[in-house]
Amino acid sequence: DTGVSQDPRHKITKRGQNVTFRCDPISEHNRLYWYRQTLGQGPEFLTYFQNEAQLEKSRLLSDRFSAERPKGSFSTLEIQRTEQGDSAMYLCASSLTSGGGGEQFFGPGTRLTVL
Amino acid sequence: GESVGLHLPTLSVQEGDNSIINCAYSNSASDYFIWYKQESGKGPQFIIDIRSNMDKRQGQRVTVLLNKTVKHLSLQIAATQPGDSAVYFCAENTGGYNKLIFGAGTRLAVHP
Repeated sequence: DTGVSQDPRHKITKRGQNVTFRCDPISEHNRLYWYRQTLGQGPEFLTYFQNEAQLEKSRLLSDRFSAERPKGSFSTLEIQRTEQGDSAMYLCASSLTSGGGGEQFFGPGTRLTVL
Repeated sequence: GESVGLHLPTLSVQEGDNSIINCAYSNSASDYFIWYKQESGKGPQFIIDIRSNMDKRQGQRVTVLLNKTVKHLSLQIAATQPGDSAVYFCAENTGGYNKLIFGAGTRLAVHP
C-alpha cells in the first residue's frame, strides 16, 4: 500500500499524559498536513510542512502541541499534558503539486481518546 | 467501526436515483474547491475538484457545480449506489499551499 499511513490507529490515554503520533506520507510528496476532526465536524487545519520546514501553525495548535518533520519524509505530532478536549481524530495528508490544485491524500487517521 | 458525522444533515436516496449534495463556502477569494467522501473509520477520499475559473466539471458519475456569485458548490452523483453511502465534505483552498477549509459535511444514505 503506497498511500498515507498513520500510527497508531487508536490511542487511549489518561489526562496529563503525553502522546505522539506518526505519519508517513506518500513517497516524494513534499507537502504534509495535519488536521483534527471531531465527531460531526469536518477536518480542521492544524499545521503544514513543506519538506522539513513547518510553514504555518493554526491557532488551534496550542503550545502543548508540537509537530516535526525532521528529514522531510515522515512527521510526528506530539501532544503534551493531554486534556479531555484533545480527544479527536488526527488526520495527516500529503500532496505534491505546488500552488492551488494540489490534491491532498489523507491517511486513515489516529483516534485519540483522553480519559 | 468509527462513526463519522453523528449529527450531520442526512440525504436519503433510493439506489439508482441521482443525488445532489450542496455546500456553501465562506471565502470569496478561494480559488480551488474539492469534494471528499469519508466512510466510517477512514480518512477523507478525494472525489472531484474544480478551480474558480470554471463553473462545472464532470467526472465518472459525479459532477461539481460552482456558483461564485452566491458562494455555492454542489456535488451531483448519478445513479447512486449503496457504496456511495458516506459523509461528504466540501473543502475550499484559501492559500497558495493548499490549506483546506472544510465544510460541515452531509451524510448520504442510499437505500436499496
